[in-house]
Parts: sequence; C-alpha cells; structure tokens
Amino acid sequence: AQTVTQSQPEMSVQEAETVTLSCTYDTSENNYYLFWYKQPPSRQMILVIRQEAYKQQNATENRFSVNFQKAAKSFSLKISDSQLGDTAMYFCAFMKVQGAQKLVFGQGTRLTINP
Amino acid sequence: DAGITQSPRYKITETGRQVTLMCHQTWSHSYMFWYRQDLGHGLRLIYYSAAADITDKGEVPDGYVVSRSKTENFPLTLESATRSQTSVYFCASTQGVDEQFFGPGTRLTVL
Repeated sequence: AQTVTQSQPEMSVQEAETVTLSCTYDTSENNYYLFWYKQPPSRQMILVIRQEAYKQQNATENRFSVNFQKAAKSFSLKISDSQLGDTAMYFCAFMKVQGAQKLVFGQGTRLTINP
Repeated sequence: DAGITQSPRYKITETGRQVTLMCHQTWSHSYMFWYRQDLGHGLRLIYYSAAADITDKGEVPDGYVVSRSKTENFPLTLESATRSQTSVYFCASTQGVDEQFFGPGTRLTVL
C-alpha cells in the first residue's frame, strides 16, 4: 500500500517570500502521478500542480514548482513570491497509473501568508 | 450547472439515524469517489466507482454504503450514523489517470 507523509503540520511566512512544503511517499510502483492540492478556507479542493513519475523534468505552474526526487521518493512544492491568497491547507497526493485512479493523501500542511 | 455538486452542504443528525449524501457530476466521468476529511488524516477514501453498477471499497468503508445506478450520480449512505462519522465528506470524479475534480464538500455532524 502507498503512504504519503507531510511532516510540516503548519508553516507561516511573510508575503513575497518563498516557501517550500515537504512531501515524502512510499510505493513499490514505478509509474505513478503526484499532485499538490490547495484547500482555501472555502473548503474547495483545487489542483495546484501535477507530476508524472516518468518525467524527469520538474513541473512548473507560474509561481508554483516542484522538486521531484524519484529515488528519494520526495515531492516538495515551492511557492515563489507568496501572496495572501496562497493561505490554505496544502495536500500532497499519490495516484497509481495501473488500476483504479484512487488518490492517497498526506495529512496536509496549513500555510499562512502574513502581510 | 456544469461540474460536480454535493447536497446537502451541511447536515446535523443523531446517532443511529440513516443519512444519505448526494453527489452529481455533469461531465459523464467514469470514475467517482467519496473521501472523508478529518484533522490529522488528510482525505481518506471511503468508496469508489469505476462505472455505473461497479463499486469498490476504499480505505475506510465500514458503516457506509454506496450505489451507482447512473453514471452521473454516486450517493453515499450512512446506514446508522455514529459520532465517529462526524466529518467533512468530499465527492470527486475523473475520466482517467488525471486530475480529480472535487465537489464543495458536505459537513456532517452526528450528535
């Protein structure tokens, strides 16, 4: 079974700073996807970024980028030039390619951006 | 409205009562999922469905029942609610190995 671990329950940074959220996972699969989801106070789950395991290049979406280390089973999220609207819970998630497309989530990191 | 909707958004019930949470999606996605969100646990999968009339258990299925007679609907029933089922419930859908789209969630309180 796959497991996902987020070791930082809470983080807080000043607006415009860069922040990195950590995520590690455990799997015996070779082909899989990794995701970061954002959950603002509205409770809506919003996809931030995805990474296919077979791609060596780290995914980037505007101010959001990942550091994917497949051998170390690490998948961190970097937010550059943080904004007040980035305040949210962030969840790391894993999905196998084979079989049902189930997501396995980490426990979440509560990120607060201070003005 | 296009997308994925859940009803009710909030529900308070008593121990032992049956409760059904509704989920409806307009994309005709094959896969649908039910997750519960609890502090310290993230989201955990309760049940999922790969197509109409095909359902399977997830990580925490005890006390829950699902059905999927139509592709667009995936109701979740708590047959006899317990306090430990107090949670926020999310429905999600996807067509395949890709992003899952989540509903707005249902906050359920069992007294």
